[in-house]
This record gives sequence, structure tokens and C-alpha cells, in this order.
Amino acid sequence: DTGVSQDPRHKITKRGQNVTFRCDPISEHNRLYWYRQTLGQGPEFLTYFQNEAQLEKSRLLSDRFSAERPKGSFSTLEIQRTEQGDSAMYLCASSLAPEWGGKNIQYFGAGTRLSVL
Amino acid sequence: DAKTTQPPSMDCAEGRAANLPCNHSTISGNEYVYWYRQIHSQGPQYIIHGLKNNETNEMASLIITEDRKSSTLILPHATLRDTAVYYCIVPITGANSKLTFGKGITLSVRP
Repeated sequence: DTGVSQDPRHKITKRGQNVTFRCDPISEHNRLYWYRQTLGQGPEFLTYFQNEAQLEKSRLLSDRFSAERPKGSFSTLEIQRTEQGDSAMYLCASSLAPEWGGKNIQYFGAGTRLSVL
Repeated sequence: DAKTTQPPSMDCAEGRAANLPCNHSTISGNEYVYWYRQIHSQGPQYIIHGLKNNETNEMASLIITEDRKSSTLILPHATLRDTAVYYCIVPITGANSKLTFGKGITLSVRP
């Protein structure tokens, strides 16, 4: 059973550096989501893709953040000019796009923990 | 998203049933209730979902009141490994995109 995988699991970087995270969804899933979780809080939605199209972006996704899913399979999340406030767990989830009004079960990866020094 | 309200924490003894409540009084007729849990330092794990009827799977049971304004997640025989934060989520139908996680309920299972 290949679930959602994320790489790396941990990333330590210095303020001002760029970082990139990768997410490989469950193979038959056409939707892919990114969330961010800070200490003591629940995950917060950042953006999602259906196939290669980015359909929604949160206001949390500043100009320094960019996400891609070029072939509708894996996705990358890049943060440019990292700040200490970017320190968080970045979670990826995938699902099958539902019929209108149907269920939408998202399956999560283990996350990438980013520490910005 | 429909607002959900959960108590901040509860505990139960190992081997006993854990009943985790959730209020979602503004839920619409076609909105699902989902439950996820997050064990420390791991990604959220899907547990169960329901619309109108009670549901059961290998992990838990979900009891939804007739008016759909509240639900209860039941772990029939809690183990120490069930210690986690449990989230009750009601996404907006049609948007069907993001999950809005509140603070959840922290379940502590004691030996």
C-alpha cells in the first residue's frame, strides 16, 4: 500500500534561503492538497490541484510560496527567501475528486517539518 | 465551513469505550461529517465519515443525531495508541476542496 509520501521529512535552513518540498500522492488520486501546521494548531489549507490545474489558493500562500503539479502526478512546494515565521509542518494530502456533493476523503502524508534559523 | 465545536480534552481508561462528541448545529442537509485524528508528529489520519446514517468501520463508529446537529465518534475499546488529537470536520458541499481543522479534542488513554 503506497500512501502519500513526502520528502524530505525534515528540513533545516537559514533565513533567506529557498527550500523545495516534494509530495507524491496516491497514484490514482487526481486531487492534491497542501496544508501548513504550526505548533499547537490544526492544519491550515494552503492550496489544491485537480490534475495539473491549481484551483484554489489560500491567502496564507504569500508571493514567496509557489506550488506546482506539472504532470498531474507529484507536486512541489517552494518557499523563497524563507523567514522564521515559515517554520512549520507542511502536509500534503490527496483524494479522488468527488461527484457533486459526494464524499471527498483526503489521505495525508507524514509531512515535512521545516525549521528556519 | 460549518462550525464545529468540540471539548478541548477528555480521557478514558484503556479497554473502555471512548465517546468523542462534536456539535455542528449549522450543518446543511447535504454536508458530510468527517473525523480525522493526528498522533503526535504524524500527519492526520482519516477515521470515518457520515451523512445521515450511523456508520461503522474497523476503526470506529459514528453516531449522527437525527437532526444532524451533533455526532459522536466511538472508539469501542480504546488502547494507548489511540491517544491523539481528534478532529471533527464539516466541509462546505460543492467547494469540496479544503478541510478546515479546528483545535480538535485531545484524547488521552490511560493505562
